[in-house]
Amino acid sequence: ETGVTQSPTHLIKTRGQQVTLRCSSQSGHNTVSWYQQALGQGPQFIFQYYREEENGRGNFPPRFSGLQFPNYSSELNVNALELDDSALYLCAGIRIDGYTFGSGTRLTVV
Amino acid sequence: AQSVAQPEDQVNVAEGNPLTVKCTYSVSGNPYLFWYVQYPNRGLQFLLKYITGDNLVKGSYGFEAEFNKSQTSFHLKKPSALVSDSALYFCAVRDYNQGGKLIFGQGTELSVKP
Repeated sequence: ETGVTQSPTHLIKTRGQQVTLRCSSQSGHNTVSWYQQALGQGPQFIFQYYREEENGRGNFPPRFSGLQFPNYSSELNVNALELDDSALYLCAGIRIDGYTFGSGTRLTVV
Repeated sequence: AQSVAQPEDQVNVAEGNPLTVKCTYSVSGNPYLFWYVQYPNRGLQFLLKYITGDNLVKGSYGFEAEFNKSQTSFHLKKPSALVSDSALYFCAVRDYNQGGKLIFGQGTELSVKP
């Protein structure tokens, strides 16, 4: 149990659809970041939220968007899904002592 | 720009032998370095981190890492490998721009054979 829970664990979507991935923290991490890990690659930073505001963004198009809620849970939304969006999506809760990752959501776009 | 390199895609070790997984970094300022392990279809599990202090950092499951500033390296080590150590290992550096994101290496697949 890492203290960061992601849902769903697996998801299959069709190209062009929209998807929402969720992340919740049991330890009240006030900063959350999202990463995309394509097969055979290291995780790539998508964006980060601190106190419900985005405070950092990687090289991802605007169709990747997010939210952070007052209870520190978070969502990653992807519109107009493309085949290359197939990946493991990881959420990390951040505190002063480090980063705690969830188990991820495996998204497959067909 | 900050970056991390893991020069080996795969490392093969016999059980009981010492293992080393290599990592080099490039940062402006003082590095804040991490090692994570990933088992198949799982998230990232924290092994250890270096912020400042002793160059030899001890972490979880008997792993340790040696920080070498002159060689800009942060190699992961274990004195005696176990078959259960077989997994994907990632080195990462914290980028103080953009809120402190982590920049990961490409990963090294460790295979420990009985």
